[in-house]
Amino acid sequence: AQSVTQLGSHVSVSEGALVLLRCNYSSSVPPYLFWYVQYPNQGLQLLLKYTSAATLVKGINGFEAEFKKSETSFHLTKPSAHMSDAAEYFCAVNSGGYQKVTFGTGTKLQVIP
Amino acid sequence: DSGVTQTPKHLITATGQRVTLRCSPRSGDLSVYWYQQSLDQGLQFLIHYYNGEERAKGNILERFSAQQFPDLHSELNLSSLELGDSALYFCASSNDKGGPDTQYFGPGTRLTVL
Repeated sequence: AQSVTQLGSHVSVSEGALVLLRCNYSSSVPPYLFWYVQYPNQGLQLLLKYTSAATLVKGINGFEAEFKKSETSFHLTKPSAHMSDAAEYFCAVNSGGYQKVTFGTGTKLQVIP
Repeated sequence: DSGVTQTPKHLITATGQRVTLRCSPRSGDLSVYWYQQSLDQGLQFLIHYYNGEERAKGNILERFSAQQFPDLHSELNLSSLELGDSALYFCASSNDKGGPDTQYFGPGTRLTVL
């Protein structure tokens, strides 16, 4: 069985501040992990993915995430928030095989000018 | 632009009716996934098709059905519609030839049941 937990349904940061969105996963086998972003009235767009290569994964728009097996975490970070980063972010896990991807409940990021 | 297309973009219908949502995957992708997104339920996986065959089912109601055609496009049929079926319906496609791959999402169909 696989699951993913996103801590904090809403996160607010000031423009220029560090963005940290938390994701913890549960998986019986080494997982594939994903972060997606959804802007208002749009579909989900892949930010980055972890597929058991480097533990620090760099994505688009300056985001990165670090896979920490000991903590079963895959937190998303960005050093300096921009107004354009305001969106909803979803963490997702896939434990392999032709299984469904399990999405977290999402975290809405608000960037305050 | 993800390369995944969905039609229609908006759909307004009445309770008890039946609708069909259409999805065309990215060129070369064999997998199509359907999701429902609503305010109270979040993003829910409905069903996965791979090269015309059903591969996995999620929280899909019996009133809902889907299929993937030989040209790999997919349709999601929703029948006996209820107010609670109002939601955004996304399809996503991926290659998956060598195992689970990145899913690319379409822009969604917003269904409103009145």
